[in-house]
Amino acid sequence: QKEVEQDPGPLSVPEGAIVSLNCTYSNSAFQYFMWYRQYSRKGPELLMYTYSSGNKEDGRFTAQVDKSSKYISLFIRDSQPSDSATYLCATWMDSSYKLIFGSGTRLLVRP
Amino acid sequence: DGGITQSPKYLFRKEGQNVTLSCEQNLNHDAMYWYRQDPGQGLRLIYYSQIVNDFQKGDIAEGYSVSREKKESFPLTVTSAQKNPTAFYLCASSIYRLNQPQHFGDGTRLSIL
Repeated sequence: QKEVEQDPGPLSVPEGAIVSLNCTYSNSAFQYFMWYRQYSRKGPELLMYTYSSGNKEDGRFTAQVDKSSKYISLFIRDSQPSDSATYLCATWMDSSYKLIFGSGTRLLVRP
Repeated sequence: DGGITQSPKYLFRKEGQNVTLSCEQNLNHDAMYWYRQDPGQGLRLIYYSQIVNDFQKGDIAEGYSVSREKKESFPLTVTSAQKNPTAFYLCASSIYRLNQPQHFGDGTRLSIL
């Protein structure tokens, strides 16, 4: 079992839709979680960074962590074609420098 | 503007050849990392360095080598021992403290001729 699992997609939605992207993880010791956005042929760009459980909002983006079910989500409101990219979730354990990535979900927002 | 610069953007390797990928950062970050990205597999850690003149192997270090002679620079050499080098290589850096997010360059795509 991979430590972080992500549905590869692609996920195709119409412009303006609410998008839900999800990851599950296996190790309850994971405490810090991040979402990166990666456009084609570019490096990942940090979108959201959260600690432990709860929600964090930044503009149209909301990151949610549910530690009881080991589930993290990224919601995108009023999705735009420019949101079309691959979204990667990542985490690492406390006291470790090693990031663990999901394999990424490809999102396509249709005009 | 501060950032991470990777060069070249595209690189081709002949059989039996070593090639070196460049990574330079002006973020004043202590820690630097090299990842390999293959389709559908996410990012896998090759090597990382927390301070100058020190580096550690990641999960897939075989066939690769690195050096860290300057804080700003962390070049990666893909040696002829790496039998499947075709991939997208990403360099990242972070503040040298636990749980600091990593920031990435725009990658080098390496292909075999």
